[in-house]
Amino acid sequence: NAGVTQTPKFRVLKTGQSMTLLCAQDMNHEYMYWYRQDPGMGLRLIHYSVGEGTTAKGEVPDGYNVSRLKKQNFLLGLESAAPSQTSVYFCASTIAGLHTGELFFGEGSRLTVL
Amino acid sequence: ELKVEQNPLFLSMQEGKNYTIYCNYSTTSDRLYWYRQDPGKSLESLFVLLSNGAVKQEGRLMASLDTKARLSTLHITAAVHDLSATYFCAVDYNAGNMLTFGGGTRLMVKP
Repeated sequence: NAGVTQTPKFRVLKTGQSMTLLCAQDMNHEYMYWYRQDPGMGLRLIHYSVGEGTTAKGEVPDGYNVSRLKKQNFLLGLESAAPSQTSVYFCASTIAGLHTGELFFGEGSRLTVL
Repeated sequence: ELKVEQNPLFLSMQEGKNYTIYCNYSTTSDRLYWYRQDPGKSLESLFVLLSNGAVKQEGRLMASLDTKARLSTLHITAAVHDLSATYFCAVDYNAGNMLTFGGGTRLMVKP
């Protein structure tokens, strides 16, 4: 059972380039989340989705876009990368909201923007 | 805006000693989570505290929640080196849709 899988795990971009991070879960979870973690800080929520075809902004959404075209996948896009987006990105999912069960995290994707 | 603060941010302790990590949060919530993160790894769920007065224990770690004081504690008993990690608390916000994390406590247990 793979759980929550993130690709790629590492990426280096130049300022202004675009890229997409893919999160896939095989647990039939409704809710999915994208967080970023910066050195010495906790995780901050970028965007989340409560079901296929829906997305919502989190705490730090600027500079990012997301899509949830399929229930099992949640994509995080950077249209024009900036050095301030250098971070480790974590995807997470839960059955149907935090009140229904545990939050499962992926292994993280380390992004460096030069 | 919900704020979650942990202290201390860094803790170096000897094996065999006891210590407590504190997590304060600024608005009403009945659900609090503790996670462990090893360097370069993902987050591992330790405890979910669901009501005022909740206490959970696993091995040398014990977590408690006081919703009236908006305070949770993670108590470490007779620390061992394997407990070295960064510990995060997180509070449920927006009716089960979002977690707000504290800044983390980096714990180093020395032999």
